[in-house]
Amino acid sequence: EPEVTQTPSHQVTQMGQEVILRCVPISNHLYFYWYRQILGQKVEFLVSFYNNEISEKSEIFDDQFSVERPDGSNFTLKIRSTKLEDSAMYFCASTGTNDNQPQHFGDGTRLSIL
Amino acid sequence: GDSVTQMEGPVTLSEEACLTINCTYTATGYPSLFWYVQYPGEGLQLLLKATKADDKGSNKGFEATYRKETTSFHLEKGSVQVSDSAVYFCALSDVRGGSEKLVFGKGTKLTVNP
Repeated sequence: EPEVTQTPSHQVTQMGQEVILRCVPISNHLYFYWYRQILGQKVEFLVSFYNNEISEKSEIFDDQFSVERPDGSNFTLKIRSTKLEDSAMYFCASTGTNDNQPQHFGDGTRLSIL
Repeated sequence: GDSVTQMEGPVTLSEEACLTINCTYTATGYPSLFWYVQYPGEGLQLLLKATKADDKGSNKGFEATYRKETTSFHLEKGSVQVSDSAVYFCALSDVRGGSEKLVFGKGTKLTVNP
């Protein structure tokens, strides 16, 4: 069964540094998402992306965050200047359509900011 | 905005016990409802879904019925196994309400002992 893959599985970064989290969605999917899960808390929506542009973003997704689909396969989340509170598990998801079809998630990247 | 409230855990059961994890939702539109499961060290996997009132989702012995009158989507299993130990997330999405993002509950950790 096709999978969403995320790299790296764990990223450790100094506060203030830029970090890029990478995702390869399922190949024929068109809608892409990032979510995050701070340890012990709920999974929170960050951003959705369709047709090479952001379709929706949450309050968490401020100017420090950006997303990109640089080629036909990768979908990246960049945090420009990381803060301690950015430490979390970041999940990428994709779906083929947006008519309430389930989203397929990757295994996540654990981001630790020191 | 839309929200999901689910039973706080952790829940600890013996093998073959009955399981119910309560989930209620608030939505302005007509959401689809999902249960996702997260096994230790892994990402979120869709367990089951229901897209309209009175639909029953089922998978791997788990069931949940979309109850519009009580705005609920409780997860049930008649006989749990050790391998069911995981964190369970109730979620909704509401494309007709203008957003395809998933809104998650806080998650319920289930531990099944032999």
